[in-house]
Amino acid sequence: DARVTQTPRDKVTEMGQEVTMRCQPILGHNTVFWYRQTMMQGLELLAYFRNRAPLDDSGMPKDRFSAEMPDATLATLKIQPSEPRDSAVYFCASGGDSYGYTFGSGTRLTVV
Amino acid sequence: GEDVEQSLFLSVREGDSSVINCTYTDSSSTYLYWYKQEPGAGLQLLTYIFSNMDMKQDQRLTVLLNKKDKHLSLRIADTQTGDSAIYFCAEGGGSYIPTFGRGTSLIVHP
Repeated sequence: DARVTQTPRDKVTEMGQEVTMRCQPILGHNTVFWYRQTMMQGLELLAYFRNRAPLDDSGMPKDRFSAEMPDATLATLKIQPSEPRDSAVYFCASGGDSYGYTFGSGTRLTVV
Repeated sequence: GEDVEQSLFLSVREGDSSVINCTYTDSSSTYLYWYKQEPGAGLQLLTYIFSNMDMKQDQRLTVLLNKKDKHLSLRIADTQTGDSAIYFCAEGGGSYIPTFGRGTSLIVHP
């Protein structure tokens, strides 16, 4: 089965450090999302790409977060500097049409 | 703005039917989805329904859509312990960014 691959699976880092999360969307999918999941806020949309172009990143704190798609096989989400409140599970999802989206297994980020 | 609401918890006995409900506000959604999230995993698409349909059945799953009331439900027949998970309702489709509910934790006890 085609899958969305996210790395790393788990990341523990100290406050102030840079964190980079990577996502390999399903080949042929032209839509990529980054979501953050916490107990308090549920699923929050951080960024949305279509055909590698960023269409919506209004949910992302711009001063410290950045999202890019350097090519069709790689999406990145970077946090610099990281803070304890960024601790969450970050999901990437990709889709090619309206019939739902495929999620990766997530990156569990802990900032201490 | 768009909003999707679900109750947070549902507890059922093994073998009974589970019904998870969802309300949404965006009447322009073309698709409505149900996703399942097991512990430590991402969301997995369970089923979807096109907005011009009333019902969709897929093995033990039945989705009912009341477009007038903007109400969506997921019925799981003969619920098993393996069905214990968080179930997310979402609306979207086409160029729309999907909007997810907070998720309903389904607990199945013997």
